[in-house]
Amino acid sequence: DIQMTQSPSSLSASVGDRVTITCQASQHINNYLNWYQQKPGRAPKLLIYDVSNLEVGVPSRFSGTRSGTDFTFTISSLQPEDLATYYCQQYENVPVTFGGGTKVEI
Amino acid sequence: EVQLLESGGGLEQPGGSLRLSCAASGFTFTSFAMNWVRQAPGKGLEWVSGISGSGAGIYYADSVKGRFTISRDNSKNTLFLQMSSLRAEDTAVYYCAKDRSVVGPDYFDHWGLGTLVTVSS
Repeated sequence: DIQMTQSPSSLSASVGDRVTITCQASQHINNYLNWYQQKPGRAPKLLIYDVSNLEVGVPSRFSGTRSGTDFTFTISSLQPEDLATYYCQQYENVPVTFGGGTKVEI
Repeated sequence: EVQLLESGGGLEQPGGSLRLSCAASGFTFTSFAMNWVRQAPGKGLEWVSGISGSGAGIYYADSVKGRFTISRDNSKNTLFLQMSSLRAEDTAVYYCAKDRSVVGPDYFDHWGLGTLVTVSS
């Protein structure tokens, strides 16, 4: 199985800060990397698919990039409503696997 | 509007069985793969199983292979997960998730609210 190592596991930042989360894949996964947001008590929501494509309706302050097997998710200017846990997910191979999550506190 | 509504969760004893359902609406059901993703209390997301739009392609996580069976009734726009030989570690919220492709699993663009399965004596 492909392991997705996500870091940090949690972070605290202020409104307006730039926030960066990383995911490292245990092997090459091409661009088959997605990012989800899960707010407390809610179902996950797709934010970004295939490394850098924003899902419809997702604010442009969210973005994603890739360097080899390292993937980066960025919130350019943190907003109060961004309080959530963020997960990466690969689908190069079955089973699809998620990173461990990053809890963003404000 | 895409809607996914899970049902069938509850309390079951170890070794028991449960059948989860997910009623789908707002899209052409046969055109998309469907998945089950679970989340143990206070833990992260774990993909459990996926099924292609036709039902011909079926995939499982190793943790449930041989114990869980995914299926779909395309005439009723409903996804199922038959869970047997349940273990305490199967305790989780189970989400139904729509795939973006007909083959899957790819990425999950719509999710249900989830149904809680508790395995305990």
